[in-house]
Amino acid sequence: GAVVSQHPSWVICKSGTSVKIECRSLDFQATTMFWYRQFPKQSLMLMATSNEGSKATYEQGVEKDKFLINHASLTLSTLTVTSAHPEDSSFYICSAIVGGNTDTQYFGPGTRLTVL
Amino acid sequence: GQNIDQPTEMTATEGAIVQINCTYQTSGFNGLFWYQQHAGEAPTFLSYNVLDGLEEKGRFSSFLSRSKGYSYLLLKELQMKDSASYLCAFSTGGGNKLTFGTGTQLKVEL
Repeated sequence: GAVVSQHPSWVICKSGTSVKIECRSLDFQATTMFWYRQFPKQSLMLMATSNEGSKATYEQGVEKDKFLINHASLTLSTLTVTSAHPEDSSFYICSAIVGGNTDTQYFGPGTRLTVL
Repeated sequence: GQNIDQPTEMTATEGAIVQINCTYQTSGFNGLFWYQQHAGEAPTFLSYNVLDGLEEKGRFSSFLSRSKGYSYLLLKELQMKDSASYLCAFSTGGGNKLTFGTGTQLKVEL
C-alpha cells in the first residue's frame, strides 16, 4: 500500500515552454500532497503544500505564478512549471500523506526536468 | 529558527555497524523521520520517532532524544545495497511539513 506515482519520470524541454508533472496516489486517497525540488547533491526543499479542493500553500521564495499547482481530486495533484528556464532544471518529487495517518509522507519516484 | 545537521559522508565496511547522527533545532516539533535515498530515486521511508527512545526495525534502528534535539539511525550487518544517502527530517506544525537535512552519503565497502 501507500504507492505514489509520478509522470513523466523525465522530461527535456526548451526554454520558455511549460511542463506539467502529475502526482498520483494509487491505492489511497490523499487530501494533502507536497511538492519538493532537489538540486544535485542537495537535500529536498519543500516548494508547496497541495490540498485537495483548495489553493496550494507555497513556501517562502517559491513563485506561485511560475509553479502552478492543482489538486483537483483526492488522488491527483499536478505541478506546472511555466516558462521554464535552465535554472529550473532539477529533480521534482511529490509526496502524499495517507488518509487517517497524518504523519508519514510517501514519496513518488520523482521527475527529472532538464530545460535546454 | 530552524536548523538540522547531519554528517555529509560516512564510510563503513560490509557486515559492520554504522551510526548516523542528526541534530536539529525547531519549534512545534512533531517527530523525526529517517529516509533512504539512492541516487536518482525518491526517498523511501525508514523510520519515524515521536517519543524518546529507540525504535528497532530489523537491521535498522532509530533513536530520538527530544530534549537534546538529537537522533541517530543505526544500521547493522551492513550490506553493499545499503550504500545510499540517508536523510533525516523533522515534522512540524499541523500540516506535517517536513524539513530535511542535507543527507549523509553512506558508502559501504568490502
